[in-house]
Amino acid sequence: AQKVTQAQTEISVVEKEDVTLDCVYETRDTTYYLFWYKQPPSGELVFLIRRNSFDEQNEISGRYSWNFQKSTSSFNFTITASQVVDSAVYFCALSEGERQGAQKLVFGQGTRLTINP
Amino acid sequence: EAQVTQNPRYLITVTGKKLTVTCSQNMNHEYMSWYRQDPGLGLRQIYYSMNVEVTDKGDVPEGYKVSRKEKRNFPLILESPSPNQTSLYFCASSPRQGASYGYTFGSGTRLTVV
Repeated sequence: AQKVTQAQTEISVVEKEDVTLDCVYETRDTTYYLFWYKQPPSGELVFLIRRNSFDEQNEISGRYSWNFQKSTSSFNFTITASQVVDSAVYFCALSEGERQGAQKLVFGQGTRLTINP
Repeated sequence: EAQVTQNPRYLITVTGKKLTVTCSQNMNHEYMSWYRQDPGLGLRQIYYSMNVEVTDKGDVPEGYKVSRKEKRNFPLILESPSPNQTSLYFCASSPRQGASYGYTFGSGTRLTVV
């Protein structure tokens, strides 16, 4: 069965610090997809990134970067030079391929990130 | 603008009073789904639909019903709400390829059952 674990329930840092959010997943499929979503205080879910299991290249988008390591089943998210606007709950999620019935995103418990000025 | 619209945003109701949360998407997506979000549990799938008239249970379907009579709409029905259904609900849609592309989520409905 699929499972996503975000062991960090809450993280609090001071603005401009770098912060890494951990995500560990479990799946038996060889084809799967990993996601990060941001949930700001307003409550909506904002898509950040999608990565498939065949692409282990790290990705950088501005101050955001993602480190995907199949060997450790991890898909960690780093925010460099954090800003107050980064304060949110962040969810890691997993989808097992495109086969019939695989219509579910399995979410981790979420990490509440607070950036203090 | 491509979006998933759910209504209402906030709802307070009493135990046993039937309610419907509406969901509509304008992206011609085949797949739609309902999730509930609870503290410490993340988001869990309630029901999903792969196309018109095709629906199936997710992980926590008890106490909920859905229907998919039109491609764009996927309402969530609580026939007899109970306090343990107090939660934040999200509707989501995805292209034909399903969850591998991720979902576009609505803005959420915060439901309180007293």
